[in-house]
Amino acid sequence: QSVLTQPPSVSGAPGQRVTISCTGTSSNFGGNYDAHWYQQLPGTAPKLLIYGNINRPSGVPDRFSGSKSGTSASLAITGLQAEDEAVYYCQSYDSSLRGSWVFGGGTKLTVL
Amino acid sequence: QAQLVESGGGLVKPGGSLRLSCAASGFTFSDSYMTWIRQAPGKGLEWLSYITSRGTTIYYADSVKGRFTISRDNAKNSLYLQMNSLRAEDTAVYYCARFRYDYVWGSYRLDDAFDVWGQGTMVTVSS
Repeated sequence: QSVLTQPPSVSGAPGQRVTISCTGTSSNFGGNYDAHWYQQLPGTAPKLLIYGNINRPSGVPDRFSGSKSGTSASLAITGLQAEDEAVYYCQSYDSSLRGSWVFGGGTKLTVL
Repeated sequence: QAQLVESGGGLVKPGGSLRLSCAASGFTFSDSYMTWIRQAPGKGLEWLSYITSRGTTIYYADSVKGRFTISRDNAKNSLYLQMNSLRAEDTAVYYCARFRYDYVWGSYRLDDAFDVWGQGTMVTVSS
């Protein structure tokens, strides 16, 4: 059971917009700790996609955007492309245990 | 550019030990905070351990506390994970990752992201 809760799967057609939710608690997102998102393409290591709730590292297309409100965070992908098919993970810091970083269970995005 | 390369994975019997290494290049390793993260086959990501740049602060996940030890050698630009008393449930791909430095705040923040990842090394615990 992951500390952060994500839907197991989402899907969308090319060109469409999809969102992936990530629900936390008062000891992570609700404690004003940031949300981060990673993309894991098949057979590869995770890659940082969004940090600090809304920021994109250099090289990440602006089709990807993040938001956070209260105890939840979201990743939105617009103009869906076939190469976006991957597993997406949210992540944060959790203060319930000293020195503890937590991930969501991952969401598999299928481009139809 | 910044790069991390893990090594040392392999097949080990339950109760055995293994030492993973992570070689860093393309950035100032001695200034960087580092972590180990693992991913069991077909499963999600699990944070394991954290170490500050000089090794003065270390944290472990409960699942590995007392069995795994993180360390670093800044002169060799290397991060390590000594794994003892291995169990079948430790079977996973093990990643080292760099903690992101916040240039706006001019410091590391506990709730920041992991911005550089290695390719991972597979550890299989089986008799």
